Parts: sequence; structure tokens; C-alpha cells
Amino acid sequence: AQKITQTQPGMFVQEKEAVTLDCTYDTSDQSYGLFWYKQPSSGEMIFLIYQGSYDEQNATEGRYSLNFQKARKSANLVISASQLGDSAMYFCAMREEAAGNKLTFGGGTRVLVKP
Amino acid sequence: DTGVSQDPRHKITKRGQNVTFRCDPISEHNRLYWYRQTLGQGPEFLTYFQNEAQLEKSRLLSDRFSAERPKGSFSTLEIQRTEQGDSAMYLCASSLGALRGRGDTQYFGPGTRLTVL
Repeated sequence: AQKITQTQPGMFVQEKEAVTLDCTYDTSDQSYGLFWYKQPSSGEMIFLIYQGSYDEQNATEGRYSLNFQKARKSANLVISASQLGDSAMYFCAMREEAAGNKLTFGGGTRVLVKP
Repeated sequence: DTGVSQDPRHKITKRGQNVTFRCDPISEHNRLYWYRQTLGQGPEFLTYFQNEAQLEKSRLLSDRFSAERPKGSFSTLEIQRTEQGDSAMYLCASSLGALRGRGDTQYFGPGTRLTVL
């Protein structure tokens, strides 16, 4: 089974609107972390936001927020007030404490912001 | 505070040649990671170092691949006898090693894009 599933290969969003990127994960570990990264066409992976499995509050970082639903094993990223510079690939990743320090990534979602 | 740097950014080589990539992590970070990303996919873990010790290797890392971090600072990834299937982006990341807070967030470099002809 896939550890991280991102079901949306690509999305269009109008500038200044919000967009939600889906991420579901599969783990039997009680202690894990979920990360979102942005990868523009230049190739660099840019860290956006982190959610720990024991965190009770949903994480927020500026225009980014994470809708964490532990029972459903989902960690959706919400980008508010989209900007043209948000056009990029977005990856959800998981770190499982029992599996060491490596990140397991999903297949990504390409976001294109329209003016 | 400089980020993770990688050199070269691009490498074109012929099949059968050896290549070596370098990664310089963020200065106070003691963990360093290598990932490989093929076109249209998410990155896949290759190996990771805690200081100079290589603590984990993926089975993706065949015996043609070797990674070192000799003094616990920069790291090199060498691929011997390259094959066309090695063509990919090779990403390096580093982290502080602290489990609290942001879960030991990994910060990535710009990557080295390898093309094997």
C-alpha cells in the first residue's frame, strides 16, 4: 500500500482564491510527522508546514494551514489567497519514528494559479 | 544563514562513467540526507548520515552507489559505471537532529540533475 497518497495530479486555482490539496497517509506508528513541501520549476524543495501526530491544533504558517484529521489519516494543505508565485508542485511527506529519519513522499500535486 | 548547497547543479555524462556530487549542509545541522527524484515522481530516500556515521541506506542504493561524510560536514555521493536509469535529480537535505518542535524538519538543496547518455 502507498504510504502517502495525493490523488490530485493537477489543479487550477484563480488568483486570490483558496485551494485545498489532499493528502492521505498510511501508518501503524503512533508517533509520526507530516510535512508539506513546495517545488517550483527550479527544482528546490521548499519546506512549508509541519504537523506532528500528537499536535492537538492544526498547524498554520502564514497563508498555509494544515487540516489534520487523524482518524481519517488525512493531512490536507490549504493555501489561502493564492498568488501567481504559488504555481508549483506540492508534495506531502511523512516521517515515521519507527522507520528512522527518512521522509516518504507522495506523488505530488501540480498547482497552476490563473491571473 | 546560508542554506543547503549542492554542486554541480547539472551533470551530463556518458554511460559507464563515474560521477560524484557534493552537498554542503546548513552549518549547524548534524544530519544529512540524500534523495533521488525521477521525472514526475516524489523524492525517494537513498541514505542518511548522523555526523560522519552513515546510519541508514535504502535498497535503492545499489553497490554502484557510495556516499561519504568524512568529517561530519559536507557529503559526497558517487555513482560508478553510470546507467541510463540513473538519470534523475539528486537532492540533498539536512536537519538539526532535534525531534522537538518541527519534527526535525529537513531543508533541501537545489539538487543536481544528472543526465546519462
